[in-house]
Amino acid sequence: SAVISQKPSRDICQRGTSLTIQCQVDSQVTMMFWYRQQPGQSLTLIATANQGSEATYESGFVIDKFPISRPNLTFSTLTVSNMSPEDSSIYLCSVEGLGVTVGYTFGSGTRLTVV
Amino acid sequence: GENVEQHPSTLSVQEGDSAVIKCTYSDSASNYFPWYKQELGKRPQLIIDIRSNVGEKKDQRIAVTLNKTAKHFSLHITETQPEDSAVYFCASNSGNTPLVFGKGTRLSVIA
Repeated sequence: SAVISQKPSRDICQRGTSLTIQCQVDSQVTMMFWYRQQPGQSLTLIATANQGSEATYESGFVIDKFPISRPNLTFSTLTVSNMSPEDSSIYLCSVEGLGVTVGYTFGSGTRLTVV
Repeated sequence: GENVEQHPSTLSVQEGDSAVIKCTYSDSASNYFPWYKQELGKRPQLIIDIRSNVGEKKDQRIAVTLNKTAKHFSLHITETQPEDSAVYFCASNSGNTPLVFGKGTRLSVIA
């Protein structure tokens, strides 16, 4: 069955540094999304990763802080730049209509801790 | 944009009882309403979904109902079991717009 792989699964980073999270899907998908889930909270959409064009960011999220790449229909990266402790969160990629699943499928998530 | 409200935020039930979680949405164009279950430390998993052309859908002990006029939908879990304990999220979207999630309900099933 189709799978979505996300890495790293977790990381502890120094403030001021950047981390790039990768999301790989084993089949082509049109829509890829990046969500943030702060501790004990719901999922908040950061941006929609568009293949061949700039990502579409939600209110409160900007490209300088969260640059996104989508070089093809199976892969995307999210970078968390110039990190601060407030960026400590779980970051999840998501795709729509993967395999037999009609709805969204989520990657396993990246648990980021900024110290 | 779409706004999804979810209630209650926490819910405790005795094993074998039913649990009901309710959500309302604001965008009348929304036509897809999934429910996700998230166990501690794991990714959200789709458990059931409904589209706006039906009013109810069942899958074994889980059912979802949709009232488009009132713009609300509900998750019903019958004969609850301890393994149903998790955080449940409702969500909605329309067409190619991204899913918008409710704030979640922490369900505890007490044996």
